[in-house]
Order: sequence, then C-alpha cells, then structure tokens
Amino acid sequence: DTGVSQDPRHKITKRGQNVTFRCDPISEHNRLYWYRQTLGQGPEFLTYFQNEAQLEKSRLLSDRFSAERPKGSFSTLEIQRTEQGDSAMYLCASSLAGTGLRGTEQYFGPGTRLTVT
Amino acid sequence: GQNIDQPTEMTATEGAIVQINCTYQTSGFNGLFWYQQHAGEAPTFLSYNVLDGLEEKGRFSSFLSRSKGYSYLLLKELQMKDSASYLCAVRDGSGGYQKVTFGTGTKLQVIP
Repeated sequence: DTGVSQDPRHKITKRGQNVTFRCDPISEHNRLYWYRQTLGQGPEFLTYFQNEAQLEKSRLLSDRFSAERPKGSFSTLEIQRTEQGDSAMYLCASSLAGTGLRGTEQYFGPGTRLTVT
Repeated sequence: GQNIDQPTEMTATEGAIVQINCTYQTSGFNGLFWYQQHAGEAPTFLSYNVLDGLEEKGRFSSFLSRSKGYSYLLLKELQMKDSASYLCAVRDGSGGYQKVTFGTGTKLQVIP
C-alpha cells in the first residue's frame, strides 16, 4: 500500500454512460497525475495537477475527459459518453514538487479498471 | 515531445545479471526514473537519475548518460520474483512543467 487510494477499483459500464473515478493522494503531496494503461503498454499520461491547478493535459485526451482537483487534495476524473476504446486501467499517482537532485518519485494508486461494454 | 524506447521482452536466468536499456529524446530533460510493475499491479519506484553516472541500490543499479540520451537498469543476482515489467520514465521540465512520460516497458522473464 503506497498511501494513494482510488475508488472504485473496478467499473463496468455500458457504452454512452458517464463514469467518474476518484483519487486520494498522499496528503502532503502537491502533485497529482492521471494515467491510462492498456495491456502490454506503459502508463500513458493524461493530465497532472500542482495543488488545484491543472498544469498540463495530453493532446490525445478528447473533450469527453475532464479532471478536477478542487481543493488541492483529492481528484476526480470523469469520462462522458464512454466508448469501448476507453476500456483500460486508470492510474493515479502523487508526488512532491521538486526539481533536480531530488527524486520526487511518483507513488501510484492501485488503479481503477474500466470495462465499457 | 518525448520518445522513449526500450526492448519489449527479455529473458534471463535465476542468479544471473541482466541489463535493460532505455533511450530517450526530450527537449527539457529533468530526470529519469525506473519503475517495476508486476502483472495486475501498479508501478513501484526503483531508481532515479538526473546526473550522469551510476546509482546503486542493493541488487539494482541505474546508469544515465545525458549526452547520449541513454540509461540502463542493471539487475544482479536475479530472483524469480524479479519477473515483471520494467518501465523507463523521463521527466520533462521545459516550460516550467514537470510532465513524466513512460516508455512501453520491458517484460522480464526470469527462468530457473
């Protein structure tokens, strides 16, 4: 257990439905990342926050995806009008801000596995 | 943008040494990470390099050459539990942001 939690762990939904996932990072971590991972691939960057500010969003991310971190603590990732291609593991990670010699490694949550039928 | 390349699969024998290579291209290099990911689990941190040279941590070592855009992860005295995917990830600090991009991972199989 890294201290990062995600809810739910599994989600099965029908195509066209909206889904929302939650991530609770390690409390003192000010950076929070969302990734998507499919079988045999590395985590694909979706977006990241520093405190409550969303600093970058992948250009691959369609307008159906939105993420928030309203108080700089937990974050939510919403997918609207889900498609079968959205089926994947959605990973959240948190870290401390830092540069250079400080490693500031990311701590990953267990992920939410989404299946769109 | 970033481009990270690592071999897709490797096989090595228990007790042996294996080296997993990673090459990258990025405009604002600000650190390279190695993560281990067992099947069905989340990635866990192994090592971090930001300066050229070797970082050693027990059975695991990681090397970085910034001028060559090259890193490797060295695993010694391989154990069966080391069978996992090993992910190379590069942090890009250009523009003041700290985006981390992962490679596709190298699936290592340790055989008796």
